[in-house]
Amino acid sequence: QKEVEQDPGPLSVPEGAIVSLNCTYSNSAFQYFMWYRQYSRKGPELLMYTYSSGNKEDGRFTAQVDKSSKYISLFIRDSQPSDSATYLCAMSQGGKLIFGQGTELSVKP
Amino acid sequence: DTAVSQTPKYLVTQMGNDKSIKCEQNLGHDTMYWYKQDSKKFLKIMFSYNNKELIINETVPNRFSPKSPDKAHLNLHINSLELGDSAVYFCASSSGWNVNTEAFFGQGTRLTVV
Repeated sequence: QKEVEQDPGPLSVPEGAIVSLNCTYSNSAFQYFMWYRQYSRKGPELLMYTYSSGNKEDGRFTAQVDKSSKYISLFIRDSQPSDSATYLCAMSQGGKLIFGQGTELSVKP
Repeated sequence: DTAVSQTPKYLVTQMGNDKSIKCEQNLGHDTMYWYKQDSKKFLKIMFSYNNKELIINETVPNRFSPKSPDKAHLNLHINSLELGDSAVYFCASSSGWNVNTEAFFGQGTRLTVV
């Protein structure tokens, strides 16, 4: 069993839809939770970063962490074609990032 | 002005060859990493260096040897390349080795072993 599980998709939604991306993890020692976005043929870039359980909002993006359930989510409101990318959850422990497999998202105009 | 730059961007080589990938960061960060992304987009850490010292070596075969001449550079040399080494290799850097700060990734080096 991988330490971080993420449904690889692909996920296809119409423009304007609300997107929900999720990861589960098994290691309760994880302290920091991140979402990276990776466009095709590019390196990952940090999108959201949270430490504690609860919600964090940044524009159209909301990151949610539930440590008791070992579950994190990323919500994208009013999705745009420019949001089409692979979204990777990541968790940090001991100086390294443990990534989920990434969910490929396509937003159709 | 690129923050983390890798060369080359593409590398096609035959099995058994030796190749190197170079990485440089101009962010003034102390910590640099090599990650490998396989064909299923799974991204896994290989090495991390903090101020030129090896901090993490994630059970990578001995054929892979990182070298950090200074804290702004981290190169990766691969000996006796195998088909299974085909992947995208990403260099990254962060301001602290705990990685509770943002890691900045390069654009990747797409290695194809034939």
